[in-house]
Amino acid sequence: AQSVTQPDIHITVSEGASLELRCNYSYGATPYLFWYVQSPGQGLQLLLKYFSGDTLVQGIKGFEAEFKRSQSSFNLRKPSVHWSDAAEYFCAVGTGGATNKLIFGTGTLLAVQP
Amino acid sequence: EAGVAQSPRYKIIEKRQSVAFWCNPISGHATLYWYQQILGQGPKLLIQFQNNGVVDDSQLPKDRFSAERLKGVDSTLKIQPAKLEDSAVYLCASSPQGHGYTFGSGTRLTVV
Repeated sequence: AQSVTQPDIHITVSEGASLELRCNYSYGATPYLFWYVQSPGQGLQLLLKYFSGDTLVQGIKGFEAEFKRSQSSFNLRKPSVHWSDAAEYFCAVGTGGATNKLIFGTGTLLAVQP
Repeated sequence: EAGVAQSPRYKIIEKRQSVAFWCNPISGHATLYWYQQILGQGPKLLIQFQNNGVVDDSQLPKDRFSAERLKGVDSTLKIQPAKLEDSAVYLCASSPQGHGYTFGSGTRLTVV
């Protein structure tokens, strides 16, 4: 069955420090992978997506993610975190095909210390 | 380009009451999704429409939830009767052909 695992429920980093959020997926075919960010009371904003090609994907707000097929992972990174990055982050896999739906992980809540 | 519009933003009801949510997708987007996001969890797909036809409603609790998409544009999601465990954020998303999903801001439902 298709699934997404985000092992870290809550992460705290200092402002200016680097960040890596982990995501592992289970999907039989070539996955379409996404990272979304959700601020309190807001909807989901797309940070970046991977469909094919270069396995290192650049997104908005200085985020990047690397697709590693051998590890079934799609980890999100940022070299220097800003206080405004505090939010909840969701990894998702798109099923493609006729149904074309998103399956989400449980999310990682990021707190940023001054 | 206007985004996905949802209303109301917040709703508080008592258990066993009914409630309805409305979604207006981005113009021209053929696919519309309703997701349920319970606090502390990722969004879970409830129902997916392609134009005005249902593609996937396998996760929709059909004894109490219903949804329609008249004329392949706007959509409403209804809960009747509501239970305490229905407290969640209900997110609507739309997509053209392909993988360009756009989410609305959601409706936060509290059942007391």
